[in-house]
Amino acid sequence: TQLLEQSPQFLSIQEGENLTVYCNSSSVFSSLQWYRQEPGEGPVLLVTVVTGGEVKKLKRLTFQFGDARKDSSLHITAAQPGDTGLYLCAGALSGANNLFFGTGTRLTVIP
Amino acid sequence: SQTIHQWPATLVQPVGSPLSLECTVEGTSNPNLYWYRQAAGRGLQLLFYSVGIGQISSEVPQNLSASRPQDRQFILSSKKLLLSDSGFYLCAWAGQFGNTIYFGEGSWLTVV
Repeated sequence: TQLLEQSPQFLSIQEGENLTVYCNSSSVFSSLQWYRQEPGEGPVLLVTVVTGGEVKKLKRLTFQFGDARKDSSLHITAAQPGDTGLYLCAGALSGANNLFFGTGTRLTVIP
Repeated sequence: SQTIHQWPATLVQPVGSPLSLECTVEGTSNPNLYWYRQAAGRGLQLLFYSVGIGQISSEVPQNLSASRPQDRQFILSSKKLLLSDSGFYLCAWAGQFGNTIYFGEGSWLTVV
């Protein structure tokens, strides 16, 4: 059973376009993280959101945590080839010692 | 600052041979430690996690085992590798509440 579903699984866009990646669950999370991973490397933490409705911005990336803390989105404005990678969301359940990872979104930005 | 290292980075092993991947964390004490496996650029499968020395929780039945002989050392082992053990293995650590996980560089294992 997959606790967190990401969509789309694959996304290929032209440089300069905008995109949104979604992370959905029926479970309530105490916090949610977004990671980006490049081939052959470990995932790198981008952001942690902890409050329902919270919005965080990291340059051209905007992260939002759903009001009910069951879902999250990642919006990239004016995508660049350097944004190419695998984006993973991960949620922490209250009282659990580990994160539950989403299925991943493979983004390719074409120059 | 905290750092995490795992090795070796790349490993090619014959079927039936043993395996040992090692991971160490610096700059923190009593971390939660994790071993994940990742299939071909997709999501992460949690294999083992540990909240303290000698405390290992196994998430998925595997041909693998884990040990934590010291506070900041986590080892992934196998007595006899299978072809299906091939993959990208990631060690990670988190603070005691486990809300944010930080990953090592990863180890590519190819079983031939």
